[in-house]
Amino acid sequence: QKEVEQDPGPLSVPEGAIVSLNCTYSNSAFQYFMWYRQYSRKGPELLMYTYSSGNKEDGRFTAQVDKSSKYISLFIRDSQPSDSATYLCSTTGGTSYGKLTFGQGTILTVHP
Amino acid sequence: DAGVIQSPRHEVTEMGQEVTLRCKPISGHDYLFWYRQTMMRGLELLIYFNNNVPIDDSGMPEDRFSAKMPNASFSTLKIQPSEPRDSAVYFCASSFGTYNSPLHFGNGTRLTVT
Repeated sequence: QKEVEQDPGPLSVPEGAIVSLNCTYSNSAFQYFMWYRQYSRKGPELLMYTYSSGNKEDGRFTAQVDKSSKYISLFIRDSQPSDSATYLCSTTGGTSYGKLTFGQGTILTVHP
Repeated sequence: DAGVIQSPRHEVTEMGQEVTLRCKPISGHDYLFWYRQTMMRGLELLIYFNNNVPIDDSGMPEDRFSAKMPNASFSTLKIQPSEPRDSAVYFCASSFGTYNSPLHFGNGTRLTVT
């Protein structure tokens, strides 16, 4: 079993839709959770960062962590064609200090 | 800042040849990471350095892979001999600190071994 599981999709939605991206993880020691966005032929870039459980909002993006169920979510409101990218969840903590473990990545396409 | 710089952007080589990938991290960053990305396995950590010292190389697939960081502004990942299954996009990333510092990725080297 992978430490971080993420449905690779692909996911296709119309412009303006609410997008929900999800990951599960297995290591209860993980405390830091990040979402990276990767455009085609580019390196990933940090989109959202959260510590422990709870929600964090940044503009149209909301990151949610539920440590009791080991579930990580990213919500995108009013999705735009420019949001079309691969979204990677990642986490670290405990004895994995310094090592970010990534999910497979979900390919998202927002069509006009 | 120019960001993390990787070279070459693309590399096509024949099986058995030596391949060297290069990375210049962001100035002042004390951590450097090498990742490999494939459709099947996603983004995998190969090795990371802290202050030029290798900390964890447990992700290096086998002895054919080696990485060095001779100084704070340069790192190499070498594959010798290369095999078709090494074909992937190799990313270098750097950060200042770890837990709450974002990784800054380069744009990767796309390696094709024929």
